[in-house]
Amino acid sequence: KQEVTQIPAALSVPEGENLVLNCSFTDSAIYNLQWFRQDPGKGLTSLLLIQSSQREQTSGRLNASLDKSSGRSTLYIAASQPGDSATYLCAALNQGGSEKLVFGKGTKLTVNP
Amino acid sequence: NAGVTQTPKFQVLKTGQSMTLQCAQDMNHEYMSWYRQDPGMGLRLIHYSVGAGITDQGEVPNGYNVSRSTTEDFPLRLLSAAPSQTSVYFCASSYSPRVGTEAFFGQGTRLTVV
Repeated sequence: KQEVTQIPAALSVPEGENLVLNCSFTDSAIYNLQWFRQDPGKGLTSLLLIQSSQREQTSGRLNASLDKSSGRSTLYIAASQPGDSATYLCAALNQGGSEKLVFGKGTKLTVNP
Repeated sequence: NAGVTQTPKFQVLKTGQSMTLQCAQDMNHEYMSWYRQDPGMGLRLIHYSVGAGITDQGEVPNGYNVSRSTTEDFPLRLLSAAPSQTSVYFCASSYSPRVGTEAFFGQGTRLTVV
């Protein structure tokens, strides 16, 4: 059974800092790994999707990497801003008959001005 | 482009009442699913559908029914609401999970059962 873990559960940083959010998964048989952002009381917004054959994806100040062999993905945020404050969720899409997203519990990020 | 639309956004039910949460997508996606999000538990899959006429159970299906009569719509029915079903419900869709396409989520329905 796939298990997805995100550490830390919460992170507080000063504005301008570069930071890394971690996601680990136990089953490497995945189609892709997706990073989402969730603002309080809102839905999930897709940030980056990394296919299983890819090593990284970039969008603006965001860079996500994937290492299937070690069961790890990271989300790198450059030059953080207060507007980046949100909960970040990663989800692995399993292969093999139960094609469903398995979510981590998220990292709550606070960027202080 | 509307994406994934959920209605209602908020709902309060009394124990034992029934209701239907609506979900519609306009992207011609094959795959649709329902999740619930609870504090400390993360998002858990309730039911999913890989196409019109095909549904299957997820991790926490008890107390919920679904049907998929069209590609666009995937309603979630609570047959007899219980306080344990107080949660935020999210509907998601993707073109096809079997080729690893991106999942899109609705804005959620906040349900309180009293």
